[in-house]
Amino acid sequence: GNSVTQMEGPVTLSEEAFLTINCTYTATGYPSLFWYVQYPGEGLQLLLKATKADDKGSNKGFEATYRKETTSFHLEKGSVQVSDSAVYFCALRENFNKFYFGSGTKLNVKP
Amino acid sequence: DAGVIQSPRHEVTEMGQEVTLRCKPISGHNSLFWYRQTMMRGLELLIYFNNNVPIDDSGMPEDRFSAKMPNASFSTLKIQPSEPRDSAVYFCASRFRVTEAFFGQGTRLTVV
Repeated sequence: GNSVTQMEGPVTLSEEAFLTINCTYTATGYPSLFWYVQYPGEGLQLLLKATKADDKGSNKGFEATYRKETTSFHLEKGSVQVSDSAVYFCALRENFNKFYFGSGTKLNVKP
Repeated sequence: DAGVIQSPRHEVTEMGQEVTLRCKPISGHNSLFWYRQTMMRGLELLIYFNNNVPIDDSGMPEDRFSAKMPNASFSTLKIQPSEPRDSAVYFCASRFRVTEAFFGQGTRLTVV
């Protein structure tokens, strides 16, 4: 079946630190992969996506590369800001409709 | 576009009462999803519709939960009777064909 596993949080970093949030997936076919971000009190927003192997999604300084050989889609950012504090969800979509979300990783960035 | 609109934003109700959550998807989107988010279980897909037809409701926890989509611009999620363990944030999301899903701001439900 399909599933997404991401590292447990919370992750606490100082401003300007390097961020990695690990995400691995299990899929029976060729999924599209996504990172969503949820700020306090809000719904999920798409952060970036990749639709095929070796694609790199990037947005707002965040990036993730679709690695089929390791079934991973790790989220990285070179220098985090306090405003990046949020919960980050890794997700996959295999067929045309259904999304599978990871459990979410809370990021706290301290000034 | 105003995005996915959910109402109410907050709902507090007594155990045993009926609760109806509402969602207006983005105009033109043909898929709609209902999710539930809790600390314990994270984000769970309850049901999704494609072209107003329920495609997969395997995530609906029990018969107390029901969802409808009478037309392309409106969906409801009903809980009857509600229980304290139903307390969660309920999200609606919509999508057009193979694009990403767009989420509403959620309804925070508290059942006391």
